[in-house]
Amino acid sequence: DTEVTQTPKHLVMGMTNKKSLKCEQHMGHRAMYWYKQKAKKPPELMFVYSYEKLSINESVPSRFSPECPNSSLLNLHLHALQPEDSALYLCASSPRDNSNQPQHFGDGTRLSIL
Amino acid sequence: EDKVVQSPLSLVVHEGDTVTLNCSYEVTNFRSLLWYKQEKKAPTFLFMLTSSGIEKKSGRLSSILDKKELFSILNITATQTGDSAVYLCAVWAAGNKLTFGGGTRVLVKP
Repeated sequence: DTEVTQTPKHLVMGMTNKKSLKCEQHMGHRAMYWYKQKAKKPPELMFVYSYEKLSINESVPSRFSPECPNSSLLNLHLHALQPEDSALYLCASSPRDNSNQPQHFGDGTRLSIL
Repeated sequence: EDKVVQSPLSLVVHEGDTVTLNCSYEVTNFRSLLWYKQEKKAPTFLFMLTSSGIEKKSGRLSSILDKKELFSILNITATQTGDSAVYLCAVWAAGNKLTFGGGTRVLVKP
């Protein structure tokens, strides 16, 4: 088990559904990240939050909407997803959003779009 | 565009063998290089390297960075079946983004 907790572990949803992925860490980290990982591919950065503010959006479609309610929580709201959005969604955190500190990953949410 | 390339793509070894994994990079304003191990779920952090020529060790794993030739290697000695995983190399560069290589899939047979 990791110190970054993601829920749910698995999610199956239709293209018209609205759902949310949740990520929580209690390490006092002030940077949090969402990644998308397709099978046999490396993680691809989606969003970076630094001190609860969105600092990087890697041109992610608007059907993915991130939210950082406080320094411990990160959500990813999903709406009108496409089958190609099926993937493992990983959350990560680090003490700050800089290169001197490693990111720690959660176990991910495996998302399937029907 | 930042680029991180790992080789080989995959390899199969037997328990007790030594493996060497390679990671080369072309990035703007290199800051640090990280190695992760990914089994079925979360990538787990192994090493962070910022200085050339200084080997980092953890048990049977070790890694070193060459900032002149722009590469790093990860060594695993006396491999065990539990070392079977995908090993990911990632580089922090300008823009505060972590760019991952494609990974090397290692299978250790008994």
